[in-house]
Amino acid sequence: DQQVKQNSPSLSVQEGRISILNCDYTNSMFDYFLWYKKYPAEGPTFLISISSIKDKNEDGRFTVFLNKSAKHLSLHIVPSQPGDSAVYFCLTGDMRFGAGTRLTVKP
Amino acid sequence: KAGVTQTPRYLIKTRGQQVTLSCSPISGHRSVSWYQQTPGQGLQFLFEYFSETQRNKGNFPGRFSGRQFSNSRSEMNVSTLELGDSALYLCASSLSLAISTDTQYFGPGTRLTVL
Repeated sequence: DQQVKQNSPSLSVQEGRISILNCDYTNSMFDYFLWYKKYPAEGPTFLISISSIKDKNEDGRFTVFLNKSAKHLSLHIVPSQPGDSAVYFCLTGDMRFGAGTRLTVKP
Repeated sequence: KAGVTQTPRYLIKTRGQQVTLSCSPISGHRSVSWYQQTPGQGLQFLFEYFSETQRNKGNFPGRFSGRQFSNSRSEMNVSTLELGDSALYLCASSLSLAISTDTQYFGPGTRLTVL
């Protein structure tokens, strides 16, 4: 059973536009969520995190939103750049990754 | 500071064999976690070691085992390999227990192919 779901396996956006990646979870026992980015042939790298005491955390072009009642988090990238093209994973505090969303940013 | 290193980077084995993968964490990190990445299942947590003790375990059969040494280096062993074990195996290190939400730093992975 998938306890962390990223329902969009891929997303394509134009450079300069907003990218929105979504993640749904079932286990609300953990109050900390992270996003990782993965390029081909490399391990995932930490991108941004959020704890349940917040509903938003911003770091430059990256913003993560948390909706605890809906058990949903999203990652916004604005403006999107071609270098953002990668696979994005959400990770819940119990070490469960989503299946990933492949983001392609077209010049 | 050197990053997480994994050896070997690529490995080809046949069904029924066993394999040992190695991971050296970032200096000073005491936690090492192992993950399996496959196209169909995404990234799945195998286990986490902290101070030479397995602290957390994912939902994998007993053929998958690991250990951690006093210098925090970790090895993962898979016995009686099956075709479905073909995957990218990633290890990640963190200062404290990863499940405590400490940021993990990933190695490049070992790509295992089982024929």
